Amino acid sequence: GDSVTQMEGPVTLSEEAFLTINCTYTATGYPSLFWYVQYPGEGLQLLLKATKADDKGSNKGFEATYRKETTSFHLEKGSVQVSDSAVYFCALMDSNYQLIWGAGTKLIIKP
Amino acid sequence: GAVVSQHPSRVICKSGTSVKIECRSLDFQATTMFWYRQFPKQSLMLMATSNEGSKATYEQGVEKDKFLINHASLTLSTLTVTSAHPEDSSFYICSASSGVDQPQHFGDGTRLSIL
Repeated sequence: GDSVTQMEGPVTLSEEAFLTINCTYTATGYPSLFWYVQYPGEGLQLLLKATKADDKGSNKGFEATYRKETTSFHLEKGSVQVSDSAVYFCALMDSNYQLIWGAGTKLIIKP
Repeated sequence: GAVVSQHPSRVICKSGTSVKIECRSLDFQATTMFWYRQFPKQSLMLMATSNEGSKATYEQGVEKDKFLINHASLTLSTLTVTSAHPEDSSFYICSASSGVDQPQHFGDGTRLSIL
């Protein structure tokens, strides 16, 4: 079945560092891909999405590009802030329109 | 736009009681709502999918009689944990979508603690 694999956390960075959180997937066809973010004590929020190959999703300085050849959707940000500390989930929407989730990656940004 | 309100945010109750959690879409019609459970340090686990006016579809291993889901209108779905026990303690999150192929918008979650 479809699955999503993302890098284990926690990922600890200093403020203004470059961020990459890896996400790869296995799926039949070409699913839509998502990044969700969960800030401490809050529910999940959609961060960005891409619906077809080579699409780039972007929001709040975060970017991710749908790479069909490497089945990846890595999340990047050029300069992280303390307020970016959260848990980030990569997900795909399968052929039944259900979300398949990665395990989540906790990001800790130190001042 | 696309705001989902989930209530209550936190519940603490005694073993054996039933707890109802509400999920409302405030500014859109949610034809489909999802209920998730999040175990500590783990990702979300889909419990069930509900379409307005229909019976919920439960995932394998989720007890239908234990977790009652009602989706009576296009803006409201409820999850009732019946005769709750300590092992039911968890973080429950709902999400709502205006269509099966549309993004899901999440509530803030309900932390349920059964003593």
